[in-house]
Parts: sequence; structure tokens; C-alpha cells
Amino acid sequence: EPEVTQTPSHQVTQMGQEVILRCVPISNHLYFYWYRQILGQKVEFLVSFYNNEISEKSEIFDDQFSVERPDGSNFTLKIRSTKLEDSAMYFCANRDRNEQYFGPGTRLTVT
Amino acid sequence: AQKITQTQPGMFVQEKEAVTLDCTYDTSDQSYGLFWYKQPSSGEMIFLIYQGSYDEQNATEGRYSLNFQKARKSANLVISASQLGDSAMYFCAMRSAETSGSRLTFGEGTQLTVNP
Repeated sequence: EPEVTQTPSHQVTQMGQEVILRCVPISNHLYFYWYRQILGQKVEFLVSFYNNEISEKSEIFDDQFSVERPDGSNFTLKIRSTKLEDSAMYFCANRDRNEQYFGPGTRLTVT
Repeated sequence: AQKITQTQPGMFVQEKEAVTLDCTYDTSDQSYGLFWYKQPSSGEMIFLIYQGSYDEQNATEGRYSLNFQKARKSANLVISASQLGDSAMYFCAMRSAETSGSRLTFGEGTQLTVNP
């Protein structure tokens, strides 16, 4: 069964640094999403991406965040200048008809 | 705006027994979908089951079934014959079919512990 993969599994960075989280979606899925989960809290929507452009974004997804699909396969989330409160698990998800399949997540720790 | 409420922060069940995890939702949309995900301690989000708002029958997937009561706006997850490996956090989520991005809105989750 095809899977969503994410790299790295864990990223530690210093406050103010840029990070890029990578996702390899399931091929032929057209909708892509990023979610985050702060430790011990619920999963929160960040952004959805369809047809090479953002289709919806949450209030969390401010100018510090950006998404790209640079080579037609990988899907990236960039945080330009990380803050302590960006520490969380970041999930990439793909949608196929009704189901949304999540990747294993990247745990981002900002020190 | 959509909202998911899971009122049970923690639930305990004996191995081999059935357990129901509660989920209520609030939406003004006519077309929407309801989901349940399992999150074990390793952190990944595992899709379990989906119910569309226009589906007339309750969804079932193996030992998982979704007790969908549209008038009450509830979508409870029933796990039959619990196993030790079912111990995990369970999240209910919904998606509107009427917005372009079709984001998922999640509840706070229920921590299920299966006792031997």
C-alpha cells in the first residue's frame, strides 16, 4: 500500500533559523495538506495545496510559512524564522477521494 | 465554523470487550465527512474509518464501526473485541465538502487504554 513519507523524522533548530520539512506524497493524489500538533494538543490545520497553489490556509499560516512543490513530486513546508512556539509535530497529508492519509510526521524542536 | 467535541479525555476497557468513543460535531454545512484516526504513542496518525453525511448506512471497517446519528450530530466510534494494541489516542475529525481546501477539523482526542 502506498504511503506518505516525511523527512526528517526529527529536526532540532535554533530560534530564528529557517527549516524546510519535506514530504513525498502518494502519487496521483491531488490534494496536499500540512497540519501541526503541539505536544499534548489536538491536530491543527495549516494549509491545503491543490493544482500547485494554496487553496486554503489557517490563521496559523502566516508570512513565516510557505509551501512549495518544487519538482512535481516533493511537497515542502518552509518556516523562515523559527520561534520557540513552532516546536511541534508537523504532518503532511494527502487526500484521495474521501480519505486523508497522513505521513509519519516530523518532530520539530526549536531551542 | 466547524467544531468537534470529544468529551472523554480518557477511557478504559478490558481486553476483548467493546468500547464506544464519543464524538459530537457542529456544522451548518449539508455535505460533510466524518473521520476517526488512531495515534499510538509513536505519534503517527492512522486513518481508521470515514462516514459521509449522505451515507445511509453506518460505516464499518473490520473491528471499527461508526455509529452515525445525524439528527444528534454524533459520530461515535465503536471498537469491538478490544486488543492491547488498540491502546492509543483517538481523534474524531470532520471535513466540509463545501469549502475549497477541505481541511480536517479535529477534536481534542480520547486516550484509550486496554487492560489485559
